[in-house]
Amino acid sequence: QKEVEQDPGPLSVPEGAIVSLNCTYSNSAFQYFMWYRQYSRKGPELLMYTYSSGNKEDGRFTAQVDKSSKYISLFIRDSQPSDSATYLCAIYPGGTSYGKLTFGQGTILTVHP
Amino acid sequence: KAGVTQTPRYLIKTRGQQVTLSCSPISGHRSVSWYQQTPGQGLQFLFEYFSETQRNKGNFPGRFSGRQFSNSRSEMNVSTLELGDSALYLCASSLAGMGETQYFGPGTRLLVL
Repeated sequence: QKEVEQDPGPLSVPEGAIVSLNCTYSNSAFQYFMWYRQYSRKGPELLMYTYSSGNKEDGRFTAQVDKSSKYISLFIRDSQPSDSATYLCAIYPGGTSYGKLTFGQGTILTVHP
Repeated sequence: KAGVTQTPRYLIKTRGQQVTLSCSPISGHRSVSWYQQTPGQGLQFLFEYFSETQRNKGNFPGRFSGRQFSNSRSEMNVSTLELGDSALYLCASSLAGMGETQYFGPGTRLLVL
């Protein structure tokens, strides 16, 4: 079983839609949860970073962590064509796992006008 | 503040050759991590350096090595290149590699023929 599972999509939505992206993970020791956005032929760009359970909001983006069910989500409100990209969830276990993020496979999102 | 820079951006090599990639972290960041990204395996952690010391290593063969200099710049080397080493190599920097956010560079795209 992979440590982090992410539905690869692809996901296609109309402009203005609410998008929900999800990941599950297997190790309850994971402590830090990130969402990255990656445009074609670019490096991943950090969108959101949360520690522990709960919600975190930044503009149109909301990250949600449910540690009891080992489930993390990213919601995008009022989606725009510029949001079209691959979205990657990433998890950092903490402790002595220096620098090691474990990534999901990425979800390809297309927002069409 | 300048972001993470990587050179070169593109490389074409032949099987059996070796290659060296360079990464300059964000000013003040002392941790540099390297990742390999392929369509099949996604983003996989190679290793992490902090204060010129490798603190963590992923599950890659010994042909993959790296080093970090006193100014926190890092290089990674791949010897005896194989076709399967064709990938996007990404470096990410953070303050200390302890779970805080990592910021990625644009990557070096390596093609092995």
